[in-house]
Parts: sequence; C-alpha cells; structure tokens
Amino acid sequence: EVQLLESGGGLVQPGGSLRLSCAASGFTFSRYAMSWVRQAPGKGLEWVSAISASGAGTYYADSVKGRFTISRDNSKNTLYLQMNSLRAEDTAVYYCAKGTKRPSTVGAEMDVWGQGTTVTVSS
Amino acid sequence: DIQMTQSPSSLSASVGDRVTITCRASQGISNDLAWFQQKPGKAPKSLIYAASSLQSGVPSKFSGSGSGTDFTLTISSLQPEDFATYYCQQYNTYPYTFGQGTKLEIK
Repeated sequence: EVQLLESGGGLVQPGGSLRLSCAASGFTFSRYAMSWVRQAPGKGLEWVSAISASGAGTYYADSVKGRFTISRDNSKNTLYLQMNSLRAEDTAVYYCAKGTKRPSTVGAEMDVWGQGTTVTVSS
Repeated sequence: DIQMTQSPSSLSASVGDRVTITCRASQGISNDLAWFQQKPGKAPKSLIYAASSLQSGVPSKFSGSGSGTDFTLTISSLQPEDFATYYCQQYNTYPYTFGQGTKLEIK
C-alpha cells in the first residue's frame, strides 16, 4: 500500500525555522516527483513546492520562494521541507503528495497524499 | 501564474441529484487538470487526472471533461458521502495552482 507520513510540525515563533519530513512507503520513491501543499485554517489548498524524482529540479510558490527549501533523500525514501523566516501566514496543515506523470500530460498529478502535519507560527 | 476559477463557490443539492462544477483556467493548460475531494479534517483525495481520467478505485459516478481553459466535474446520483469540498488544480505550469474550492452541501 502506498503511504506518505508527514512529521515535524509544531508551534514556532515568527522568524523561526522548522523542518518537515515525509516518509514514503509502498512505491519506488526515487521514480516520482513529490510536492508539498498547505491549507491555512478555514482556507483552500495552496501548492507550496515540488521536486523532481532525482532532486535536480525544484520549484516554489512565490509566497515561499527564498524562505523554504525542498529536498529529498532517495536512499531514505524521505521528502523534506526546510522552512525559515516563518511568518504567521505560514500557519497551515502541510501535506506531502506523490506526483505521477502520465504519457498524455505535461506535468505530474498529485495522486496520493499524506495525512498532514500542522505548523503554527505564533508568539 | 495561471489562475483557476471555480464556480459555484457553494452548491446545495439533494441526495440523488446530479451536479456539475466548472473550473476555468486563465490560460490554456491542455488537459493537465485534476479534481480533488476533501472532507472536513481529512487530506484531499484525488478523483480525476488528465481532465477526464478516473483515479483507480473512484466510482464512475464522478466524471470530468474539458481541455484548454474550460473544465467540468459532474457527480451523478449524489449520496451522503459525496457532500464535501471539491477543488480543481492545474499541473501544466509551475507554480501549480488550485481553484478556490466548491462546497457541496445537502439541501
């Protein structure tokens, strides 16, 4: 069974840092792109960042560019999101998602999601 | 960035009804469009990819159509478990973007 398990969320002060992890199992992790998506309380979904299967390509939303860094360790089947200079507006549930590229599409759709980890930025 | 506009933002329907949600992209995205269902306190669930292909295990009551800029999600014969929030999302161009969501409520 394909599973994604996020961890690392918590309460952090504005300006602080946090590193999220996403442990993958049930599929060949190194063959798939991965994404982070967040959802602020009572709000919709916001794509945050993505990384290619090899890790060579990384992509970010403008709202986090320069503050967040996505990475992966294919030997550990784990995805990371390093979050620095955190702001109150970064408060959200953060989901990791597996990306599947189909022959008929340009990009990779997010077909499997983790249960999420909560990040709260507050003093 | 590509803007995704869903309509309506909310929708009231009865058990057994058929409903349609629309999603419009601010520029052409070919068929790089997905639909998700989200229930309160739960992670989103992928329903449809490539605009019209059903994810494995998703019942055929869900169907998607469209290409380019205009897309639709249709849900037939609504059941209580279908009442949730639905999101479209483009994955043609980074940054990927979501629609604002459509909350489907029981009438």
